[in-house]
Amino acid sequence: QQQVKQSPQSLIVQKGGISIINCAYENTAFDYFPWYQQFPGKGPALLIAIRPDVSEKKEGRFTISFNKSAKQFSLHIMDSQPGDSATYFCAASSGGGTSYGKLTFGQGTILTVHP
Amino acid sequence: GAVVSQHPSRVICKSGTSVKIECRSLDFQATTMFWYRQFPKQSLMLMATSNEGSKATYEQGVEKDKFLINHASLTLSTLTVTSAHPEDSSFYICSASPIGRGEQYFGPGTRLTVT
Repeated sequence: QQQVKQSPQSLIVQKGGISIINCAYENTAFDYFPWYQQFPGKGPALLIAIRPDVSEKKEGRFTISFNKSAKQFSLHIMDSQPGDSATYFCAASSGGGTSYGKLTFGQGTILTVHP
Repeated sequence: GAVVSQHPSRVICKSGTSVKIECRSLDFQATTMFWYRQFPKQSLMLMATSNEGSKATYEQGVEKDKFLINHASLTLSTLTVTSAHPEDSSFYICSASPIGRGEQYFGPGTRLTVT
């Protein structure tokens, strides 16, 4: 019930292409869905996050699509660049209000963008 | 804004000794901080939730007597690995949530190697 399943495990994209990473969850109490980017030897950095009251959120080249009925959400990276090569984690938590609570992380996706 | 630091970034210690890791929120106050452990090429595993002024809440399977957590102020939480053994070698990462906001910001991580 607490799991967040992420796919694919790894992804190779050409420069300028679109990278798409998918996540699915079971716990309907989850109400906060962030994406994190992690470079080797570094801590995760918050990229973008969405609440279930909207179906899409865009920030620059990064877009989250959210499908509440299917309990799925995805990250789209437009015009992918070699500098985007990193591990991406989706996550989910519940709590609402001003406290989002504990994060449950997906397994991670290693993205490689070839020049 | 929302910067979290960790000290030290790397530490090597001998088996049986104790190691303290500090996590600081530099430009915000946090009543809640989290401690994670990450093995190579794996996702983040939540170890405990640290609340300022109260006892930490440990996840199932995490030994609270081995991983001592103190959240002494609204900007500082510490994790002490007591009587460290080689199997405790890992990447330890903290995160903090600004008061009144739920998102988590991560520190850069601490690489612990126990010889």
